Amino acid sequence: NAGVTQTPKFQVLKTGQSMTLQCAQDMNHNSMYWYRQDPGMGLRLIYYSASEGTTDKGEVPNGYNVSRLNKREFSLRLESAAPSQTSVYFCASSGIHLNTGELFFGEGSRLTVL
Amino acid sequence: GENVEQHPSTLSVQEGDSAVIKCTYSDSASNYFPWYKQELGKRPQLIIDIRSNVGEKKDQRIAVTLNKTAKHFSLHITETQPEDSAVYFCAASRGGGGADGLTFGKGTHLIIQP
Repeated sequence: NAGVTQTPKFQVLKTGQSMTLQCAQDMNHNSMYWYRQDPGMGLRLIYYSASEGTTDKGEVPNGYNVSRLNKREFSLRLESAAPSQTSVYFCASSGIHLNTGELFFGEGSRLTVL
Repeated sequence: GENVEQHPSTLSVQEGDSAVIKCTYSDSASNYFPWYKQELGKRPQLIIDIRSNVGEKKDQRIAVTLNKTAKHFSLHITETQPEDSAVYFCAASRGGGGADGLTFGKGTHLIIQP
């Protein structure tokens, strides 16, 4: 039972390049999320998926797209990276049907955009 | 949307003393209030949570109190130990931490002085 796994752990991009962050969970959770963490800013929600087949914008969605590929996988895509997207990205999942509310986070992906 | 304010941003206490971190929220419909601990370079992990039908919850040295009328909640750590050094995040959500995700405070860096 690996929990939430996200790749890559580190990535350096040049401005304008694109990339996809991958996330998978093996806890049979319905809901999945992408957060970004910047110094002094806490965790801010980018996009979320309440269940397979649905996605919704969070607090800071501009410049990002997501895909809920199936119940296990939720990817985050940067189409044209900008220096402002330099951050640590966390994927998380939650078992709605368990009604616990706990978020289980991946280890994080540190992205630098030059 | 929800807005969560967290204070202080940095808290330094002597080992063995108590630490208190305070949060306020804006959305009166919020009913789930978790606290996450993030050690340096690691993922955030849930340490305790409280729902709006409860005023206080304790788990060993950690307690959380909630005042729904004033819309604030606090984390109390007693008999602090070196391993309590970390960044702590409060959060608020309308429903079970589920589909709408959580809104996080900006974090408190807790430093335990030997």
